[in-house]
Amino acid sequence: GQQVMQIPQYQHVQEGEDFTTYCNSSTTLSNIQWYKQRPGGHPVFLIQLVKSGEVKKQKRLTFQFGEAKKNSSLHITATQTTDVGTYFCAGRPLGTSYGKLTFGQGTILTVHP
Amino acid sequence: DTAVSQTPKYLVTQMGNDKSIKCEQNLGHDTMYWYKQDSKKFLKIMFSYNNKELIINETVPNRFSPKSPDKAHLNLHINSLELGDSAVYFCASSQDQSGANVLTFGAGSRLTVL
Repeated sequence: GQQVMQIPQYQHVQEGEDFTTYCNSSTTLSNIQWYKQRPGGHPVFLIQLVKSGEVKKQKRLTFQFGEAKKNSSLHITATQTTDVGTYFCAGRPLGTSYGKLTFGQGTILTVHP
Repeated sequence: DTAVSQTPKYLVTQMGNDKSIKCEQNLGHDTMYWYKQDSKKFLKIMFSYNNKELIINETVPNRFSPKSPDKAHLNLHINSLELGDSAVYFCASSQDQSGANVLTFGAGSRLTVL
């Protein structure tokens, strides 16, 4: 079955440093979504990428979808303490009219002030 | 108004008991889901219903039985609880089952089995 691997599992940064999490799928994806879960909270949708090579930005967050649509990344510039939480990618296999969203294991980000 | 609401938020119970978690969404979405999040934060889908019909049923012990009385509600009943069932259970909904749908999650129900 489809697998979505996400690295690193944990990342500790000093406030102001950059952070990147990577997502790799064993199969080609129709789209990829990113979610953020604050400590003690629930996953909240951040963005969806659909096109090969797509890049989207949300303030300090930059999301990329690979050319082969099998990998993605989330980069945060100049982290702040409000960025702490777990970041998940979630992908849906290409060719399915519907299909379960497979989540990566998540990257737990800690930001030290 | 909470978009996806689940009750109870916390559940502590003994092994062997039966318990239920309820979920309701007021977004008018057609599709609802149950996800299980373990202690390592891994999110795994358990079930999905589209307009009251079961469309995804992952490899879940048959002690877990979902029920969708209407498209705004999806409940989860668990029989004969085991220690390994301890987790946070998230309900979610999406507009429909099409490929571009985005999930809206509930706040989660933390189940602790003693």
